Amino acid sequence: AQKVTQAQTEISVVEKEDVTLDCVYETRDTTYYLFWYKQPPSGELVFLIRRNSFDEQNEISGRYSWNFQKSTSSFNFTITASQVVDSAVYFCALSDLKLIFGTGTRLQVFP
Amino acid sequence: DTEVTQTPKHLVMGMTNKKSLKCEQHMGHRAMYWYKQKAKKPPELMFVYSYEKLSINESVPSRFSPECPNSSLLNLHLHALQPEDSALYLCASSQAVQSYEQYFGPGTRLTVT
Repeated sequence: AQKVTQAQTEISVVEKEDVTLDCVYETRDTTYYLFWYKQPPSGELVFLIRRNSFDEQNEISGRYSWNFQKSTSSFNFTITASQVVDSAVYFCALSDLKLIFGTGTRLQVFP
Repeated sequence: DTEVTQTPKHLVMGMTNKKSLKCEQHMGHRAMYWYKQKAKKPPELMFVYSYEKLSINESVPSRFSPECPNSSLLNLHLHALQPEDSALYLCASSQAVQSYEQYFGPGTRLTVT
């Protein structure tokens, strides 16, 4: 069965701290895609990254970085030097015929 | 341009009303989606359209009726809703179904009284 687990329900940090959001997935497929989405209080889900199962290179985009490890079925997301604007719910997702979302991690960044 | 637009932003309706939610994208995407999201939960897929044809219906009650008039537009017709249908309704689109990233609209916050 396909499943995505985000064990951290809520994380609170102070601005400028680094924070890592964990994502563990289960799938029997050899080809699959993983995603991260951000949902700020306004409600719109914002696409952050898509990673296919054959590409294990880590990715960095500004203050954001992603660590994909097939050996542990994890696709973790790190925000460096967090800012108040990073406060949101972050969803990890796995693609099947449809997107399978984790339960989300609420990140609160305090000034 | 990765914009998906949705109207209205907010909707309050009684249980006997008929209303429609609208979604539009101009990215040339051939797959469009409706999701329902309750507070503090992930989005739940309702319907998927691929090349203007309904390809997935996640056993959604018939009081929700989707329509895809053309490749850019997606509607969700609402009739005889229940208070438990109150939620954020999100539309999304992607190049095609499966494996492509989905781009979401801002959602319609629906309250059924």
